[in-house]
Amino acid sequence: AQTVTQSQPEMSVQEAETVTLSCTYDTSESNYYLFWYKQPPSRQMILVIRQEAYKQQNATENRFSVNFQKAAKSFSLKISDSQLGDTAMYFCAFMKHVLSNQGGKLIFGQGTELSVKP
Amino acid sequence: DAGVTQSPTHLIKTRGQHVTLRCSPISGHKSVSWYQQVLGQGPQFIFQYYEKEERGRGNFPDRFSARQFPNYSSELNVNALLLGDSALYLCASSLPGLSYEQYFGPGTRLTVT
Repeated sequence: AQTVTQSQPEMSVQEAETVTLSCTYDTSESNYYLFWYKQPPSRQMILVIRQEAYKQQNATENRFSVNFQKAAKSFSLKISDSQLGDTAMYFCAFMKHVLSNQGGKLIFGQGTELSVKP
Repeated sequence: DAGVTQSPTHLIKTRGQHVTLRCSPISGHKSVSWYQQVLGQGPQFIFQYYEKEERGRGNFPDRFSARQFPNYSSELNVNALLLGDSALYLCASSLPGLSYEQYFGPGTRLTVT
């Protein structure tokens, strides 16, 4: 069975600084996807960034980037130039390839609550 | 285009009762997934439906059931409610062809007293 672990329940960062959220996962699959989702107090789960396991290049989306270490099964999220609006719960998630057995379902970590302070 | 919509936003039920939660996917999306998020935890997968067929089921008791309609909207039903069923229920839809990217609705907050 796949598992996702986020070892930092809470983190804080000053506005405009950089913060890194950690995530490790366990799987025997070779073809899968990894995601970071953001859930602000409004509850809406928003996709921040995604990474396909077969791609060696780390994904980036504006101020958000990941450090994907496949051998170490590590998938960290770096937020640069942090903004007050980044305050939210961040979830790391794993998904087997959609065509595999039980593929297409997201397996989430416990979350990291990020506070951006002015 | 409208995003994923869910109804109701909140509801309060008593132990032993039955509840139906509804979800409308983004137009053109044919796959719908349901997740339960207990306070302070990450979401847990309940069901996935694609083209009206159940494609996956999580580790939930038979009190939980779902279905998908011809217009791709979906219902999640929970029978014999327990206090532990109190949670945020999230619905997500996916692009045709079972794309890996899922788009979430705002959720339904269920409180069981």
